[in-house]
Amino acid sequence: AQSVSQHNHHVILSEAASLELGCNYSYGGTVNLFWYVQYPGQHLQLLLKYFSGDPLVKGIKGFEAEFIKSKFSFNLRKPSVQWSDTAEYFCAVNADSSASKIIFGSGTRLSIRP
Amino acid sequence: GAVVSQHPSWVICKSGTSVKIECRSLDFQATTMFWYRQFPKQSLMLMATSNEGSKATYEQGVEKDKFLINHASLTLSTLTVTSAHPEDSSFYICSARGGVEQYFGPGTRLTVT
Repeated sequence: AQSVSQHNHHVILSEAASLELGCNYSYGGTVNLFWYVQYPGQHLQLLLKYFSGDPLVKGIKGFEAEFIKSKFSFNLRKPSVQWSDTAEYFCAVNADSSASKIIFGSGTRLSIRP
Repeated sequence: GAVVSQHPSWVICKSGTSVKIECRSLDFQATTMFWYRQFPKQSLMLMATSNEGSKATYEQGVEKDKFLINHASLTLSTLTVTSAHPEDSSFYICSARGGVEQYFGPGTRLTVT
């Protein structure tokens, strides 16, 4: 069965610091990968996604993620965070053979100090 | 982008009663919708996959007789929590598949007293 691991439970950074959130998945076949963000009191929003092609994908708000197949990883990055990036970030995977269902990681809470 | 709505956004019910939550895709048709449950400060746990015109597929450990799912049309899926108990209090989120992407609803907070 597919699974997603996010090893950072809570990350605290100062404004302008660089960000990298780890995400690893376990599935041997073709996968689609996602990062979602949930701002306080709001619903899930898609940050970026990888289906195929260039393994470095760019999303909204300056975020990007790199798919490294050999490492089963899809880490999220942002060169300079802002206070408004404070939110919960979820990595998710959808395996082609699983009838489209998306499995979420446990989430990483990002707190930015102003 | 595509919009998914949920109704109600917040509901309080007494223990033993049933509650129905609606999930609608507003500007697209969705043959497949998904229901998730999110506990405070935790991730989304997939409960079931709802397919239009057929029975839902439940994830392991989810009681299908307690969480009734009906996907009666291409734009509406409903989740009914039957004989609700305080441990059913949670945030319920639906998503609808539009093409290759999924779009998430704003969630419904259920509190059972």
